[in-house]
Amino acid sequence: KAGVTQTPRYLIKTRGQQVTLSCSPISGHRSVSWYQQTPGQGLQFLFEYFSETQRNKGNFPGRFSGRQFSNSRSEMNVSTLELGDSALYLCASSQGTISSYNEQFFGPGTRLTVL
Amino acid sequence: AQKITQTQPGMFVQEKEAVTLDCTYDTSDPSYGLFWYKQPSSGEMIFLIYQGSYDQQNATEGRYSLNFQKARKSANLVISASQLGDSAMYFCAMRGGGGADGLTFGKGTHLIIQP
Repeated sequence: KAGVTQTPRYLIKTRGQQVTLSCSPISGHRSVSWYQQTPGQGLQFLFEYFSETQRNKGNFPGRFSGRQFSNSRSEMNVSTLELGDSALYLCASSQGTISSYNEQFFGPGTRLTVL
Repeated sequence: AQKITQTQPGMFVQEKEAVTLDCTYDTSDPSYGLFWYKQPSSGEMIFLIYQGSYDQQNATEGRYSLNFQKARKSANLVISASQLGDSAMYFCAMRGGGGADGLTFGKGTHLIIQP
């Protein structure tokens, strides 16, 4: 089975721009979560989607948004980029039934640099 | 609110020795899941092991075992017979809310295996 894929792997943007990151989960997985990893704040949960619905959201400003498509693929969007948005953005998928502790399988991440 | 504490920022261990990575957690949820992930320098998060809060026995996966002490809110990872390829960042994480919350991660432990 193919693992979680994320595109692009690397991205350079300037302040004020917006960016869209893409994630394709493992086949059959219906839950997709997004995390931000920075040296200062560590790994922080952004949001989770299950069957096209946002199930939970972390403590991030409204500039961060996401969606999930009917094929479980997910995108996240960051508008009006700030320097502090420079980070590794990780996507994870799981079988993710409504109440479960299924392990999450992570993709390789997208490294976003904001100049 | 959930919190994960990993008190060892870095560890040096001789190859073939056993390693214990510490993790304590705090949560008010009666039901939760605990996870360990490995992150090599390539950046991808690799799932290692899972322990449910109601599991009676400690989880084991190959060379990995989880020393779960519920009363002490501790979930230490034990790696037996360490190998050079075990050098990486290790993150302890938990998920509460009946599985509906995102993962909360600790700050991680940087493990270096020396030949």
